[in-house]
Amino acid sequence: RKEVEQDPGPFNVPEGATVAFNCTYSNSASQSFFWYRQDCRKEPKLLMSVYSSGNEDGRFTAQLNRASQYISLLIRDSKLSDSATYLCVVNQAGTALIFGKGTTLSVSS
Amino acid sequence: DVKVTQSSRYLVKRTGEKVFLECVQDMDHENMFWYRQDPGLGLRLIYFSYDVKMKEKGDIPEGYSVSREKKERFSLILESASTNQTSMYLCASKSLETGSNQPQHFGDGTRLSIL
Repeated sequence: RKEVEQDPGPFNVPEGATVAFNCTYSNSASQSFFWYRQDCRKEPKLLMSVYSSGNEDGRFTAQLNRASQYISLLIRDSKLSDSATYLCVVNQAGTALIFGKGTTLSVSS
Repeated sequence: DVKVTQSSRYLVKRTGEKVFLECVQDMDHENMFWYRQDPGLGLRLIYFSYDVKMKEKGDIPEGYSVSREKKERFSLILESASTNQTSMYLCASKSLETGSNQPQHFGDGTRLSIL
């Protein structure tokens, strides 16, 4: 059973669209959650942490549902520069982060 | 700002060679990690270290070893490189501050080709 699962996509959307990515994790003991962004041939970079109450950073909103072991990322008013792979990341106490394989987003004009 | 520096962006080596990949971080982080990333397989953890001279196997340690002689430096060693170790290698570091809710910070990556 995969520990962190994401739909690989690709999600192809026009500029201005709203797009949502989902992620599920298998270990109920997971304690912290993140979304990372990775551009082609570059390293992953932290996009945002995910808090239990949900959190927003500009056009990006992250949600966590512990009961369903589910994390989401919503991007509003998509820009061309949002095109990237989005990695769902989960951490259990005292261990390394566990990465999903990523969801690819392509925003076109 | 956290800085994680990997010694090489691109590296080409031959089968059977001993290969060293170096990683240095400047934030006094306790935890350091080595991953490899391959198309369709995502990021896979090779080894990690909680502190100086400490190391733990990740998911795919076979064919690799590591060294953490100083807190800021974490080296990945391919004892006898093989073609299936051609990959993108990513180093990361993380603080232990305030428990586990700290993100990892990545280096730029090393694209290693084994011929």
